[in-house]
Amino acid sequence: GQNIDQPTEMTATEGAIVQINCTYQTSGFNGLFWYQQHAGEAPTFLSYNVLDGLEEKGRFSSFLSRSKGYSYLLLKELQMKDSASYLCAPLDSNYQLIWGAGTKLIIKP
Amino acid sequence: DAMVIQNPRYQVTQFGKPVTLSCSQTLNHNVMYWYQQKSSQAPKLLFHYYDKDFNNEADTPDNFQSRRPNTSFCFLDIRSPGLGDAAMYLCATSSNRGSNEKLFFGSGTQLSVL
Repeated sequence: GQNIDQPTEMTATEGAIVQINCTYQTSGFNGLFWYQQHAGEAPTFLSYNVLDGLEEKGRFSSFLSRSKGYSYLLLKELQMKDSASYLCAPLDSNYQLIWGAGTKLIIKP
Repeated sequence: DAMVIQNPRYQVTQFGKPVTLSCSQTLNHNVMYWYQQKSSQAPKLLFHYYDKDFNNEADTPDNFQSRRPNTSFCFLDIRSPGLGDAAMYLCATSSNRGSNEKLFFGSGTQLSVL
């Protein structure tokens, strides 16, 4: 079956760095997305990885290891507005997004 | 700005009373999706259209139907809403189906069933 595993909740301090891990098992693989979702709002695109390695985009970076079925999202210089859920979503062989339930990130002053 | 628009933002209906949620897009994207998302859960794909080609997920209840009369508009009809259908309904679009096609979401419709 297809499965996404990411922590339910994490807490971090404003200005710090946090890493949100995601492991996945899918039928085939065509890349992996990370989305940010603030409470009561729709998801917004953060990153897409299809090759192994680290992709950096400002304060946010995303890493992928296809052989390990593993990805992480790294958030630097945390701000209060980064309090949100972060959803890991790999694409399977049919180009269907397989969504995780998300990691709720709580930022404390 | 090109975007995905969902109306209404909040919808209250009665148990068993049909309700229609609407979505429009100005992105001219080929693919439109309807997702259901309950609190602290993953979005669940209900349907998607690739142009006029309708794709129903195997576990989408018959109670849910969809229409896409043209490229810009897509509707979700819930024929007889139950208490378990209370959720956020998200419409999304993508230019095409493919590896790096990110989704553009509307703001969602929060459905309450009384």
